[in-house]
Order: sequence, then structure tokens, then C-alpha cells
Amino acid sequence: DAKTTQPTSMDCAEGRAANLPCNHSTISGNEYVYWYRQIHSQGPQYIIHGLKNNETNEMASLIITEDRKSSTLILPHATLRDTAVYYCIVRVPSRSNDYKLSFGAGTTVTVRA
Amino acid sequence: GAGVSQSPSNKVTEKGKDVELRCDPISGHTALYWYRQSLGQGLEFLIYFQGNSAPDKSGLPSDRFSAERTGGSVSTLTIQRTQQEDSAVYLCASSLRSRNTGELFFGEGSRLTVL
Repeated sequence: DAKTTQPTSMDCAEGRAANLPCNHSTISGNEYVYWYRQIHSQGPQYIIHGLKNNETNEMASLIITEDRKSSTLILPHATLRDTAVYYCIVRVPSRSNDYKLSFGAGTTVTVRA
Repeated sequence: GAGVSQSPSNKVTEKGKDVELRCDPISGHTALYWYRQSLGQGLEFLIYFQGNSAPDKSGLPSDRFSAERTGGSVSTLTIQRTQQEDSAVYLCASSLRSRNTGELFFGEGSRLTVL
């Protein structure tokens, strides 16, 4: 899997949009960008994934640059419950390896009232 | 509930004892995964079960670790002769392999402390 780089931490004001960057300059053409988060004392939670088009679901939006070397996860209206560690990973979703997830340190997002 | 269920949520044991951790996946999910997460660290893959296929055990750190999945549903992770370095949160996840989206649904984990 390609390496990703994320900021160690960031703060966000409640009710505002949180924009979480991720660099993946060595991403290959068939690798997807996945985002998970882990709220304290809970298991990781899938958020969203995409290949090259921007994606949106009920939790977040994913913006991928045209060259696919970086992406941004957007939480449109952050709440205190969004405080968590956010992990960006890139991988090929195939039968042979799509379970061998390994997360790095991620970005610790703290939403403040 | 409809999520992945793990038990016990917390386990404290003495070095050298055996422990068993249980995972109930989401009903209908054919794939089941075990991971562990040491304090302040990222996620480490341990083992993967898919239907009746032979499990992928490539992530198990030593032969003290084993896992089984009975009837294609419940799974048990067993750690024999526990060591202090085994202390971690053990996470189970399940997914619908047929969807192949990489979505994994995690349980809340079993926190193991080896004294």
C-alpha cells in the first residue's frame, strides 16, 4: 500500500467544517483512498472511500485532487462527537489483500465548543 | 444490536495464563478479521477468515496465537502462555465480501492486560 502523510493533530470549532488533508504522492492508478476514524475506546469506523471522483455520503465528503496525490476529508458541520483519530489509507481493494489494513498514526481531531 | 459484538470488553490476566477472546460478527457477513492495537499505535492485522476457505494467518505474531471460526459465524482468538507484550486492544471486524468495497465493521474491542 502507498504511504500516506497526515498532520498529527488539528482543532476544529463545533458547527464549522473540518478539512482533513492527506498526502499520498506515490499512489498508484488502481489504489483507492479510504478514510476511517476511531473514537476513543471504540473500534475503527469506516467513513468513505474513493478512486478519483469526489465522493459524498451522510458522514463526509472526500475531495481527491486531479493528480490523485492528495485528498481532503471534509466533515461539513463538526460536532463534539466527531472528536477522534482519523486515518487515511490508500490500497487496492482486492480479494488478496483488502483485509490487511494497517493504520498509521492518523490525525487527532479535537472539536471544541 | 446489529453490530459486531466482542467479549470480554476487558480482561486482566497473569503472565503465562491462556486467554480466549470472542467475536460475534454481523449476521450475514462472510468475512471476519482480527486485529490488535497497542497503546498509541496503529492497527495490526492478525488473521482473516472468509467462508469455508483456509484462513490467512500471516499476521499472527507467534505460535502462541490461534483462532478458529465455528459454523462460519462466531470466532475465538486464543493466546496461550500470555506475555506482557501481548497487552493490547484486540479488535474484530466483519464485512460482506461480495461487496468488495473494503468496508469493515469493527467491534469495540477486547482490552487485554497481562500483568
